[in-house]
Amino acid sequence: EDQVTQSPEALRLQEGESSSLNCSYTVSGLRGLFWYRQDPGKGPEFLFTLYSAGEEKEKERLKATLTKKESFLHITAPKPEDSATYLCAGGTDKLIFGTGTRLQVFP
Amino acid sequence: KAGVTQTPRYLIKTRGQQVTLSCSPISGHRSVSWYQQTPGQGLQFLFEYFSETQRNKGNFPGRFSGRQFSNSRSEMNVSTLELGDSALYLCASSAGQGGETQYFGPGTRLLVL
Repeated sequence: EDQVTQSPEALRLQEGESSSLNCSYTVSGLRGLFWYRQDPGKGPEFLFTLYSAGEEKEKERLKATLTKKESFLHITAPKPEDSATYLCAGGTDKLIFGTGTRLQVFP
Repeated sequence: KAGVTQTPRYLIKTRGQQVTLSCSPISGHRSVSWYQQTPGQGLQFLFEYFSETQRNKGNFPGRFSGRQFSNSRSEMNVSTLELGDSALYLCASSAGQGGETQYFGPGTRLLVL
């Protein structure tokens, strides 16, 4: 059965304290691994798409990487405005989402 | 480009009623997917429409249905509402080639009393 698992469920960081979020996947016929950010009461906001193992993408303080079984979202020197739930999804003919990592960054 | 829009944003219904939600995709996008998000189950795929045809379907009962119009706008309908249907309903649009990025709307928050 296709499955996407994210860890940790929740993460509290002090401003400037770098960390990584994990997304492990077992998805047949994977066409892409997607990262989204979701703020409370809003729709997911697209961050990155990764298509092949070894691929990396960066945007401001975020960097996403992909291996054959996992993806990581590295957050460097986070700020309070990075607080959100981060979702990863395996893409086939639909998106299969993990349950997300709720990130809180405090000053 | 304007993003994905959904109407209404909030809705309160009672058990047994039916509801119709609307989604307008990004201009030029031909695929619209619908997802249900609840605290317990997370984001779950409902169905996808491409060129007015349902292309994929998730594991939801037949009370959940949808359609797509020739201008790619989509509607989803839930009949005989149950308390467990309370959720954030999200639609996402993409070009429709398969495997490309889906862009989400703000969602419709449905509360069933």
